[in-house]
Amino acid sequence: DTGVSQDPRHKITKRGQNVTFRCDPISEHNRLYWYRQTLGQGPEFLTYFQNEAQLEKSRLLSDRFSAERPKGSFSTLEIQRTEQGDSAMYLCASSLEAGGAVTEAFFGQGTRLTVV
Amino acid sequence: AQSVAQPEDQVNVAEGNPLTVKCTYSVSGNPYLFWYVQYPNRGLQFLLKYITGDNLVKGSYGFEAEFNKSQTSFHLKKPSALVSDSALYFCAVRDQYNNNDMRFGAGTRLTVKP
Repeated sequence: DTGVSQDPRHKITKRGQNVTFRCDPISEHNRLYWYRQTLGQGPEFLTYFQNEAQLEKSRLLSDRFSAERPKGSFSTLEIQRTEQGDSAMYLCASSLEAGGAVTEAFFGQGTRLTVV
Repeated sequence: AQSVAQPEDQVNVAEGNPLTVKCTYSVSGNPYLFWYVQYPNRGLQFLLKYITGDNLVKGSYGFEAEFNKSQTSFHLKKPSALVSDSALYFCAVRDQYNNNDMRFGAGTRLTVKP
C-alpha cells in the first residue's frame, strides 16, 4: 500500500499521560499536514510541514502538542499531559506541491485517541 | 480567513435520483475548492477539485461539481445516486493568499435509499 499510513489506529490513554502518533506520507510528497476531527465536525487544521520545516501552526495547537518531521520523511505528533478534550481522530495528510501548482492532499485513516 | 459552509447536515435521496450536496465558501482571494468523501472507519478520499478553468469539474465515481463565483458556491452533484454513495461528504477551501491552510466544512451525511 503506497498511501498515507498512520500508527496506531486506536489509542486509549489515561488522563495526564503522554501519547505519540506516527504518520508516514506518500514517499515523494513534500508537504505533510496534521488535522484533528471530532464527532460531527470537519477536520480542523493543526499544523503542516514543507519537507522538514514546520511552517504553520494553528492556535488549536497548545504548548502540550508538538510535531516533528525529521529528515522530511515521516512525522510524529506528541501530546503531553493528555486531557479528555484531546479525545478525537487525528488525521495526517500529504501532498506534492511544486512549481506553484495546487494539488489535493491524500489522507491516512487516522488515529483515534480516547482519553479516559 | 477562509471558511466553508455546508448548510445541510443530512441529505436523503432515492437510488437512481440525482443528488446535490451544497457548499458555499468565503475567501479573500481566488478559491481553491475540494470535495472529499469519508466512509465509516476510513480516511478522507479525494473526489474532485476546482483550481481554475471550466466551472464544471468532473471527478471520481461519477461525481461532478459546479463552481459559481457570483454565488460563492461549489455544489457537488451526481446524475444518478447509488446506495454505495451513502457516506459523509466534506467540502474544503484553500485561499489564494493563504494557500497552506485547507479549511473544511462540517460535513453532510448523504443517505441513498434503495
